Amino acid sequence: GQNIDQPTEMTATEGAIVQINCTYQTSGFNGLFWYQQHAAEAPTFLSYNVLDGLEEKGRFSSFLSRSKGYSYLLLKELQMKDSASYLCAVRDHRDDKIIFGKGTRLHILP
Amino acid sequence: KAGVTQTPRYLIKTRGQQVTLSCSPISGHRSVSWYQQTPGQGLQFLFEYFSETQRNKGNFPGRFSGRQFSNSRSEMNVSTLELGDSALYLCASSSGLASDTQYFGPGTRLTVL
Repeated sequence: GQNIDQPTEMTATEGAIVQINCTYQTSGFNGLFWYQQHAAEAPTFLSYNVLDGLEEKGRFSSFLSRSKGYSYLLLKELQMKDSASYLCAVRDHRDDKIIFGKGTRLHILP
Repeated sequence: KAGVTQTPRYLIKTRGQQVTLSCSPISGHRSVSWYQQTPGQGLQFLFEYFSETQRNKGNFPGRFSGRQFSNSRSEMNVSTLELGDSALYLCASSSGLASDTQYFGPGTRLTVL
């Protein structure tokens, strides 16, 4: 089966940097996604990693280590609008299912 | 390009009733996945349809079913509703390729009284 762990909540300050970690266990890894979900809204795609390393996209970066079953999402120059839940999701190559973690609720303080 | 649309956006039902939710994917997308989201369990996979066939299924009881039409629009049905079925139901569309991203609709908020 699959298991995805990420912290339930985090708090950071406007203008700072925050790193949200995600660890996973799966028998057939085929990619990891990060989504952002604001309250009462649908998740929106942030990043996709399938190879080891860092993917940078503006203020957001995502890192993957397949050997460690580990990923992180790095948010720089935090803005109040970054207050949201961040969902880590893993695709299993055996059946292409995408399984989501329970999400990390990020609070940004002024 | 229009995004994923879901109808209705809000629904209130009572225990024992049944409900049908609809999802229209992004034009050209052939895969539609359904998820249930609750505060305690997060996003849980219900099933995926691709070219009118169920390609994957999560661990939900048989009361939860779905189908996909030739135009890729999908419906999910929940019969004999229970209080615990109150949740946000999200559908996501993609091209169906293994590396492709899913794009989510706004969801249907179902409340069972």
